[in-house]
Amino acid sequence: DSGVTQTPKHLITATGQRVTLRCSPRSGDLSVYWYQQSLDQGLQFLIQYYNGEERAKGNILERFSAQQFPDLHSELNLSSLELGDSALYFCASASEYSNQPQHFGDGTRLSIL
Amino acid sequence: TQLLEQSPQFLSIQEGENLTVYCNSSSVFSSLQWYRQEPGEGPVLLVTVVTGGEVKKLKRLTFQFGDARKDSSLHITAAQPGDTGLYLCAGSNNYGQNFVFGPGTRLSVLP
Repeated sequence: DSGVTQTPKHLITATGQRVTLRCSPRSGDLSVYWYQQSLDQGLQFLIQYYNGEERAKGNILERFSAQQFPDLHSELNLSSLELGDSALYFCASASEYSNQPQHFGDGTRLSIL
Repeated sequence: TQLLEQSPQFLSIQEGENLTVYCNSSSVFSSLQWYRQEPGEGPVLLVTVVTGGEVKKLKRLTFQFGDARKDSSLHITAAQPGDTGLYLCAGSNNYGQNFVFGPGTRLSVLP
């Protein structure tokens, strides 16, 4: 058990819809990372937050947004969903904002019909 | 843009065999990590290497960071079916930003 909790585990929705994925980091970790993993793209870094502030941005689409709340949990919002957004979305947490090992949750599997 | 390549992409071996998988880049990384991911689960951290030439051992797994901090290898001795999984390397720059993952090596150890 990594200590990182992601909900929901599975999400099925239709194109054009909007969903919110939630992540609770390990106790004491200030940094949260979001990743997308699909069969043909591997694990793609989306965005990082540290203590409530955005620290780094990767290949995150404009239709996607995230935030980290004062209690350090984070949410990833995906809107105007397309079939190609079907993937596993992982959250990871770390104690600091750089060069620290990341601990991953078990992911949310998003299926777009 | 920093990129990591991993080889081989797929590896299927018999229980008891030794194997080495590689992680390479043209960029220098301040640290490099190895993870193992099993189906339906998130990646689990195996090791972090930060010093060029560093060698770390974790039971039957030996990790090495290249002298120039551009590459790394993972050697498994006497592989077991429990070693089956996707092995990912990941690196970060000096600022710890934009953590980059390699595409992974999918290892299958047959009993």
